[in-house]
Amino acid sequence: AQSVTQLDSQVPVFEEAPVELRCNYSSSVSVYLFWYVQYPNQGLQLLLKYLSGSTLVESINGFEAEFNKSQTSFHLRKPSVHISDTAEYFCAVSQGFGNEKLTFGTGTRLTIIP
Amino acid sequence: DTGVSQDPRHKITKRGQNVTFRCDPISEHNRLYWYRQTLGQGPEFLTYFQNEAQLEKSRLLSDRFSAERPKGSFSTLEIQRTEQGDSAMYLCASSQWTGVNSGNTIYFGEGSWLTVV
Repeated sequence: AQSVTQLDSQVPVFEEAPVELRCNYSSSVSVYLFWYVQYPNQGLQLLLKYLSGSTLVESINGFEAEFNKSQTSFHLRKPSVHISDTAEYFCAVSQGFGNEKLTFGTGTRLTIIP
Repeated sequence: DTGVSQDPRHKITKRGQNVTFRCDPISEHNRLYWYRQTLGQGPEFLTYFQNEAQLEKSRLLSDRFSAERPKGSFSTLEIQRTEQGDSAMYLCASSQWTGVNSGNTIYFGEGSWLTVV
């Protein structure tokens, strides 16, 4: 079985400050890792994913995440946040190997303070 | 590409009534998923289809829940004899699975909110 832990349920950050949202996972097999974002009253949107290759993955809106196998982590970072980044962020894993079912963490609510 | 669409977006029902949600996946996506999300929690897997075949069901999917995808296109999720604990957002998602280790992206709809009173 696999699981995802997002220790921070809420993260308040001043506008233009850096942010890190933490994600740790556990799995007995190799996994694929994802970050999804959910804006108020909307569904989930894929932010970025790690499948293989370079351990640092980037999104088009300035977020990046680094896969660390030894620490079983996939933390999400952004060097300078904007008001529009206010949302709920979910880390998720899947086993691949034909099983794309996602297991999600409980989410981190990112609040940007003007 | 119109994305994954769900209907209705909101449903308020009395306890004991039956409700049905519909999901239209991205066209030609062969996999379709249902998840449930309660307030303050991440989405939880319920079931998924590959074409019309239901390949896996979570233990969360009690006997009161049934999902179908009769022609391998749209899907319905029916909840019979609703209970207050069924109040949640029901998310549908789809993907185009092309083989083992394909790592395909799963695209989510905007969800259907259910409130049981």
